[in-house]
Amino acid sequence: AQSVTQPDIHITVSEGASLELRCNYSYGATPYLFWYVQSPGQGLQLLLKYFSGDTLVQGIKGFEAEFKRSQSSFNLRKPSVHWSDAAEYFCAVGAGTGGGNKLTFGTGTQLKVEL
Amino acid sequence: EAGVAQSPRYKIIEKRQSVAFWCNPISGHATLYWYQQILGQGPKLLIQFQNNGVVDDSQLPKDRFSAERLKGVDSTLKIQPAKLEDSAVYLCASSSTGAGNYNEQFFGPGTRLTVL
Repeated sequence: AQSVTQPDIHITVSEGASLELRCNYSYGATPYLFWYVQSPGQGLQLLLKYFSGDTLVQGIKGFEAEFKRSQSSFNLRKPSVHWSDAAEYFCAVGAGTGGGNKLTFGTGTQLKVEL
Repeated sequence: EAGVAQSPRYKIIEKRQSVAFWCNPISGHATLYWYQQILGQGPKLLIQFQNNGVVDDSQLPKDRFSAERLKGVDSTLKIQPAKLEDSAVYLCASSSTGAGNYNEQFFGPGTRLTVL
């Protein structure tokens, strides 16, 4: 069965600083990988996804993530964080016949942005 | 395009009571999901519907949880009787069924359940 580990429960960065959120996955086949963001009282919004091809994927709101098969990682990055990025971020791995249709989520990383 | 709608947004009940949540997916989306998100954890899939049929309910506690999707559109998730550990946010998501391998899941705002 697939699993996702997000080792950082909380991260605090200053506005304008760079950001990297870690994600490690376990899955027997080529994974479908996702990053979602959840603001308070809101549902999950998809930031970006990886299925195959270029291992560096670009997403919305200036986020990017890099798939590293050798490290079983899919870390999320942003070169300059804005105060509005404060939220909870979830990494997920997809499985099933539809690829992304059965999602297993990590426990999330809460991002705080200091002004 | 309207998003996934859920109601109520908040619910407080006492243990052993029953509760029901409602979800209206994005128009035309054949697949509907219910997730449970306990505080401090990621969402966990409870049940997946394709039209009005169940695709996966392996993680649904069937002794107390039930779900239905009549007519393949709206869905209701019920808990009877509720336990303290059922306190969580219940998220509904929907996706289309296309020709490709991947169909993005769109999430509703969730229903926050507190069991006292």
